[in-house]
This record gives sequence, structure tokens and C-alpha cells, in this order.
Amino acid sequence: NAGVMQNPRHLVRRRGQEARLRCSPMKGHSHVYWYRQLPEEGLKFMVYLQKENIIDESGMPKERFSAEFPKEGPSILRIQQVVRGDSAAYFCASSRSTGNNEQFFGPGTRLTVL
Amino acid sequence: GESVGLHLPTLSVQEGDNSIINCAYSNSASDYFIWYKQESGKGPQFIIDIRSNMDKRQGQRVTVLLNKTVKHLSLQIAATQPGDSAVYFCAEIHMNSGYSTLTFGKGTMLLVSP
Repeated sequence: NAGVMQNPRHLVRRRGQEARLRCSPMKGHSHVYWYRQLPEEGLKFMVYLQKENIIDESGMPKERFSAEFPKEGPSILRIQQVVRGDSAAYFCASSRSTGNNEQFFGPGTRLTVL
Repeated sequence: GESVGLHLPTLSVQEGDNSIINCAYSNSASDYFIWYKQESGKGPQFIIDIRSNMDKRQGQRVTVLLNKTVKHLSLQIAATQPGDSAVYFCAEIHMNSGYSTLTFGKGTMLLVSP
């Protein structure tokens, strides 16, 4: 019974490149959340998606960042034209429904921007 | 804005001691709190939760106490073991038109010496 899967686990990009982070929720989960964690900080909510819909993107920067959760396949967090300040750990969580408060977290993708 | 924060950034204890990790929150409207454990290189792992209409909840070796009067949350770990060494976060649940998002505190690192 696989948990939340994220790949890649580590990603290195140069300034100006694009970063694509993938998240496969737990089996049976249709709700996905993305969080960003800076060093020695707590996780900060970015975006909440259901299949094919963005429900809440209040925590996601308006420029360069986008997220999707297609009908088939993993959820994607895309960062265009990365800058050094984007270096962080990005965690994905999934839940079965909105009524279930427990979000299960993936291992994260550590993005380093050179 | 509303926030969740912790008093102590690092807590060092001896194996077998009891540990207490504290958290202050400011949003009196929160109705649900969760403690997470995050080991190095991993995603947050659910430990225990508590609803705002409760003062105390016990799990296996862990107890969460909620004091709504002073907006304070604590996690007590009995007979702390080296495997308990990790960063511990409290998280506040926000209900937004039928779905919930998490707001994390900054975290406390627990170091357990053999």
C-alpha cells in the first residue's frame, strides 16, 4: 500500500530554468496539497487541488508558479524561470476527502537553484 | 495575520526522560490541531490530533494538551527514545468553505541522548 510518492527527490536547476515536481497521491485519494518548506522553517501552504480543479491557490506566488492535477497522472508543481529564492523542500500531501482532516505527506522534493 | 508559533527551537533530553514541546497559536477560531514529527530528509508524519472542544488527548506514549484560555498547545512524550529525535511541528487546521488547509508552526527540534 504505497504512500504519497514524489519525484524527483532532489532537483538541481540553474537560474532561469524550469522545475517540474511530481506528486502521486495515495491510492484512493483525490485531494492534493502542495507545501513549501524553507530551511529551519515550518511548511507553508501553497495550493490545494482536486482532480482537474484548483480549489485554493492562495499560498502560491502569482508569477512563475503553477500547479495541475490532471484526470490521469500525477499532480505537477511547475516553477518557471527559477531563482535562488525558490530553493526549498516542496512537499505534497494527499487526503481521501475534505471531510477527513488527515493529510498524508510525501517525502518531498528538495530543489536547489544554483 | 494569524499565526502558529513555538516557544523553544531546540529541546535536548536524556533517553527515558519525558519531553514536553510547546506551541502557541493566535487564531482562536481554529477548531482542530495536529502534531507532526519530521525526521531528517522525510515528510511530516502525523502523531496525534485534538479538537478544540477537548483539553487532552492521549496516544501511545504521547499526550496533547490544549489550553484555549491562553491559546497554548503542548505535546508530551513519555519515556523519550533516541528514535524520537526529530523536528516537531504543531499545525492549525483552517476550514475554508468546506475544505481544510494546514498552517504550520516553525518547529522544535528534539534531541534525545542515549
